[in-house]
Amino acid sequence: DTGVSQDPRHKITKRGQNVTFRCDPISEHNRLYWYRQTLGQGPEFLTYFQNEAQLEKSRLLSDRFSAERPKGSFSTLEIQRTEQGDSAMYLCASSFSVGGGYEQYFGPGTRLTVT
Amino acid sequence: KNQVEQSPQSLIILEGKNCTLQCNYTVSPFSNLRWYKQDTGRGPVSLTIMTFSENTKSNGRYTATLDADTKQSSLHITASQLSDSASYICVVSIGGYNKLIFGAGTRLAVHP
Repeated sequence: DTGVSQDPRHKITKRGQNVTFRCDPISEHNRLYWYRQTLGQGPEFLTYFQNEAQLEKSRLLSDRFSAERPKGSFSTLEIQRTEQGDSAMYLCASSFSVGGGYEQYFGPGTRLTVT
Repeated sequence: KNQVEQSPQSLIILEGKNCTLQCNYTVSPFSNLRWYKQDTGRGPVSLTIMTFSENTKSNGRYTATLDADTKQSSLHITASQLSDSASYICVVSIGGYNKLIFGAGTRLAVHP
């Protein structure tokens, strides 16, 4: 296992379509995070899982967004009825934590373009 | 409001020169401060992590400092190389599960 992987790396979709992204964390990591990064800005927190439980969601995560981590391993992020403002890089990170927070390792990201 | 501000927004230096990037934060409760390097189109990669009790931490040619009283941090890059060209992002962690608050980054370009 060489790190966090994300698929696809790039996605172009038309406004109104649904898209789904996948993140495969480092295998022993129990925490998984999703972030969104727009051009020229730092990433912004979207949501966080510990094992299969989604423990926090940012207010940035509107009703059109849903994330799952059904078996506590890979995670999916779905955006329904995409809007042009959804165009961004979606980053996934994972970490292993025992008794506190530890280093987050980021994937390469999925760049979404909504036309 | 939890906020991380970085300066300068962008910087151009010549290969071999040193540079220092700045970070100010207003975040509570503070857990730790990190500096990440992000190459274009890639995910961020951690350079250093410091808790409030650490004043300085080095990673090769990268040295980070932290003043928890003034809530300021800096990242010093020594003897810059072309491969140092990237965005450098200051990140403050809050809470027990390491929720990260990112700055907008400083875009560094190292020219030959």
